[in-house]
Amino acid sequence: DQQVKQNSPSLSVQEGRISILNCDYTNSMFDYFLWYKKYPAEGPTFLISISSIKDKNEDGRFTVFLNKSAKHLSLHIVPSQPGDSAVYFCAASTNFGNEKLTFGTGTRLTIIP
Amino acid sequence: NAGVTQTPKFQVLKTGQSMTLQCAQDMNHEYMSWYRQDPGMGLRLIHYSVGAGITDQGEVPNGYNVSRSTTEDFPLRLLSAAPSQTSVYFCAIRDRVGSNEQFFGPGTRLTVL
Repeated sequence: DQQVKQNSPSLSVQEGRISILNCDYTNSMFDYFLWYKKYPAEGPTFLISISSIKDKNEDGRFTVFLNKSAKHLSLHIVPSQPGDSAVYFCAASTNFGNEKLTFGTGTRLTIIP
Repeated sequence: NAGVTQTPKFQVLKTGQSMTLQCAQDMNHEYMSWYRQDPGMGLRLIHYSVGAGITDQGEVPNGYNVSRSTTEDFPLRLLSAAPSQTSVYFCAIRDRVGSNEQFFGPGTRLTVL
């Protein structure tokens, strides 16, 4: 049972345009969400997070939106740059400070120059 | 990778062999975790520790053993390797206070023949 789903295995976006990566979850107990970026042969690196008490969190070119009623979150990257090409993982936990992160299957983002 | 080192980077084992994957950190973070990443499945939590002497099971603990005798080290032991344990293994650390982000090591790629 995949509690965190990333239904798009891959996404291609033109450089300079907006990239939108989506994530859905089924467990209503999840209340903290994170996005990680992963390059080949490296460990995932943290990008941005959001608590369920918020519906938006912004950090530079990265914005995460949370729609609790739809159990959906999205990561917006604008403008997209070639260095953004990577695999992006959505992750969730049932409370802040909980070590048990549940990850989605990832979306491979390719930025086309 | 945020002061997290993993050794070895690559390992090939035969079925039934045992080995220990090493994870060490120099950031004095209390929380340490082991994940495995398999194609199409994202990252899954194997075991985690919230401090020296304290460990607990994650989502997929069978076939793995851990101990935490020091803050710095969190080794993962494969008692009798099986082909199903072929995967990329990531160690992650997190500070007890502050943000909820986990910081990952570079990974160990394990193949069991």
